[in-house]
Amino acid sequence: GNSVTQMEGPVTLSEEAFLTINCTYTATGYPSLFWYVQYPGEGLQLLLKATKADDKGSNKGFEATYRKETTSFHLEKGSVQVSDSAVYFCALSDLAGGTSYGKLTFGQGTILTVHP
Amino acid sequence: NAGVTQTPKFRILKIGQSMTLQCTQDMNHNYMYWYRQDPGMGLKLIYYSVGAGITDKGEVPNGYNVSRSTTEDFPLRLELAAPSQTSVYFCASSTRPQETQYFGPGTRLLVL
Repeated sequence: GNSVTQMEGPVTLSEEAFLTINCTYTATGYPSLFWYVQYPGEGLQLLLKATKADDKGSNKGFEATYRKETTSFHLEKGSVQVSDSAVYFCALSDLAGGTSYGKLTFGQGTILTVHP
Repeated sequence: NAGVTQTPKFRILKIGQSMTLQCTQDMNHNYMYWYRQDPGMGLKLIYYSVGAGITDKGEVPNGYNVSRSTTEDFPLRLELAAPSQTSVYFCASSTRPQETQYFGPGTRLLVL
């Protein structure tokens, strides 16, 4: 079955530090890949996505590249801010095997805390 | 544009009680989903719907029921609440499979 594995957290950084959150996946077909972010007390919101190999998703200074050869979708940001403190979820949606409803398979989430 | 709304925000239930979690979206999305989020875990799919009148089970459907009489509404029913159902519940919607899912703010449920 499909699965998503995120790096163990939590991650604590100082403002302006470089961020990497690792994400690897297993899927039976050709999934779309997503990063969702959850700010304290809120629901999830899409941060970025990529739908095919070598696509790069980007938003708000965050980037992730769909690497089919390494089955990875690592999230990066060059200079984090205090306002980036949140929980980050890597997820995939796979239409293979007749699962035509677009079920999202989530990683366990990574808590990011950024200090001034 | 309200997006996806959920009510209530928080609820405490006693074991054996029942309740309905409400979810409404105003984006005319055909696909709707219910997830639960347990501490330190990703989200697990409970039920989903591909359109009015069509629903099906996800990964963890036991103890829950759903209905979809309109495009806008997708309520989740708990018939006999159990402590294992203590969780945060999120409703989401999308236009098509593999498209971005838009999430509501969640309902925090505590079963004692």
